Amino acid sequence: QKEVEQDPGPLSVPEGAIVSLNCTYSNSAFQYFMWYRQYSRKGPELLMYTYSSGNKEDGRFTAQVDKSSKYISLFIRDSQPSDSATYLCAVSNAGGTSYGKLTFGQGTILTVHP
Amino acid sequence: EAQVTQNPRYLITVTGKKLTVTCSQNMNHEYMSWYRQDPGLGLRQIYYSMNVEVTDKGDVPEGYKVSRKEKRNFPLILESPSPNQTSLYFCASSLSRLSEQYFGPGTRLTVT
Repeated sequence: QKEVEQDPGPLSVPEGAIVSLNCTYSNSAFQYFMWYRQYSRKGPELLMYTYSSGNKEDGRFTAQVDKSSKYISLFIRDSQPSDSATYLCAVSNAGGTSYGKLTFGQGTILTVHP
Repeated sequence: EAQVTQNPRYLITVTGKKLTVTCSQNMNHEYMSWYRQDPGLGLRQIYYSMNVEVTDKGDVPEGYKVSRKEKRNFPLILESPSPNQTSLYFCASSLSRLSEQYFGPGTRLTVT
């Protein structure tokens, strides 16, 4: 079983739609949760960074973590064509031999069409 | 401009011909790492370095070597490349292990 599972999509939505991207993870030791965005032919860039359970909002983006069910989500409101990219979830823990090591999901390809 | 640079961006080579992919960062970051990205497998860590002369294996280190002689540089060495090392490679750096990682633009390697 992979440590982080992410539906690869692809996901295609019309402009203005609400997008929901999801990941599940298996190790309850993970405490840091991130979403990276990767445009075509570019390196990933950090979009959201959360610690522990709860919601974090940044403009049109909301990251949600439910540690009890080991489930993390990214919501995009009023999606725009410029949001078209691959979205990668990543998890990390704060202790042990794998301290700080990022484990990525497979990535979800999102296309927002006008 | 704060950035991570990688060279070359594209490389086609043959089995067994040694190659080096360079990585350099200008942010004085202590932590650097190399990833490979393959369809359906996401990003997997190859090697990482917590500081000069300190390197350690990631999840998929077989067939790769690294060195960290200077803080800003972290080259990835393939001494005898094989076709299964055909992939998209990313270098990343961060202030510390738990800080935001900044990724380079990627190196697309094809081994025939």
